Parts: sequence; C-alpha cells; structure tokens
Amino acid sequence: DQQVKQNSPSLSVQEGRISILNCDYTNSMFDYFLWYKKYPAEGPTFLISISSIKDKNEDGRFTVFLNKSAKHLSLHIVPSQPGDSAVYFCAASLYNTDKLIFGTGTRLQVFP
Amino acid sequence: DVKVTQSSRYLVKRTGEKVFLECVQDMDHENMFWYRQDPGLGLRLIYFSYDVKMKEKGDIPEGYSVSREKKERFSLILESASTNQTSMYLCASTGGTGQTQYFGPGTRLLVL
Repeated sequence: DQQVKQNSPSLSVQEGRISILNCDYTNSMFDYFLWYKKYPAEGPTFLISISSIKDKNEDGRFTVFLNKSAKHLSLHIVPSQPGDSAVYFCAASLYNTDKLIFGTGTRLQVFP
Repeated sequence: DVKVTQSSRYLVKRTGEKVFLECVQDMDHENMFWYRQDPGLGLRLIYFSYDVKMKEKGDIPEGYSVSREKKERFSLILESASTNQTSMYLCASTGGTGQTQYFGPGTRLLVL
C-alpha cells in the first residue's frame, strides 16, 4: 500500500522553463513533507520541506505547495537548469516521528 | 559539515553469504536508518535505531538484521544473502524528531 505516490516516473523540461513535480498522499495524519534530490551514485540530499500548517514554502528557485484537502503537494523549480536533472523524491512523516515514507521518485531531465 | 559514510560503494556477493554493510556518521546523531532503493519502488525503510542497542523494524525487515553498538555506527546484516536483495542500500541519520535526514552515498549490492 503506497501511502506516498509520485505518478509521473519522468519529466522532461527545457532549460529556463518551470518544472512541476507532483506528489499525492493518502494518510491525512502526515504533518510534515519533504523533497529530496538524488543524483546517480549519490545519496539523496534534502531540498525543501513544508509543515502541514502552511500551504507554501519557498527557497530560491524552489517552491513547495501543499493542498491538504486534496492530499497533494508539488515542487516548482523556476527557472529550471541542467544541473537540476536528477531523481526527486517526496517524503512524508507523521507527527513526532522521524520515520519518513518516500514516494517512488520522478526523474527530471532539463535539456538546453 | 554533516557526514555519513558507508563502508563500500559497490559489493558483489554470492547467494547464501553473510553480508555486513556499515554506516558511520560524525554528527553525534541519535537516530539512524537503513533503506533500500529499487526502481519503481522508491526508498523503503528496512530498520531504524533511536539509540545505542535499540532497533525497530521498518517496512521491509525480512531477511535483514541490524546492530548498533556505538552511537556513530549502524550496521545492516544480511544473514544469508539472496538474489532479491540485490539493491542500492542507503543509510541516513538525524539528530532528532523533525530534523532533516542526512544520507550516505549508498552501497550498490549485487547478489549472484
């Protein structure tokens, strides 16, 4: 039972354009959401997070939006750069736990 | 600077062998985690530990065990390796609830 889903396994975007990566979840008790980025042969690195009390969090070119009623979050990258090409995982956690539930990942390719 | 290291980047073992994967963090973190990453399945939690000598099962503990004798070191053990344990294994640590998980570079294990 996949509690965190990333329905698009891959996404291809032109450099300079917006990349939108989507993530859906089923457990309404999740209260903290994160995005990780992973390059080949490296471990995932933390990108950005959002608490369930917010609906938007921004950090430079990266913005995460949370729609609790739809149980949906998205990561926007503007403008996209070739160095953003990686696999992106969304993850969720329950209140007061360290355990993360990861999605299946979306491979983003940014082409010139 | 945060650092999580894993003993091997690549490992080839035979079916039935006992396999040890080691993870060391230098951040004095209490919590440590072992995941495996497989295509189309994302990251799945195998075991985690909140303190020395403490361990808890994750979502897919079957066929694995762990050991945490020192705070900085968390070992994953495959008692009798099988081909379906061929995977990328990722270790992570975090300083406490709600904090970011930091990942090691991963160990790609091939079981023949």
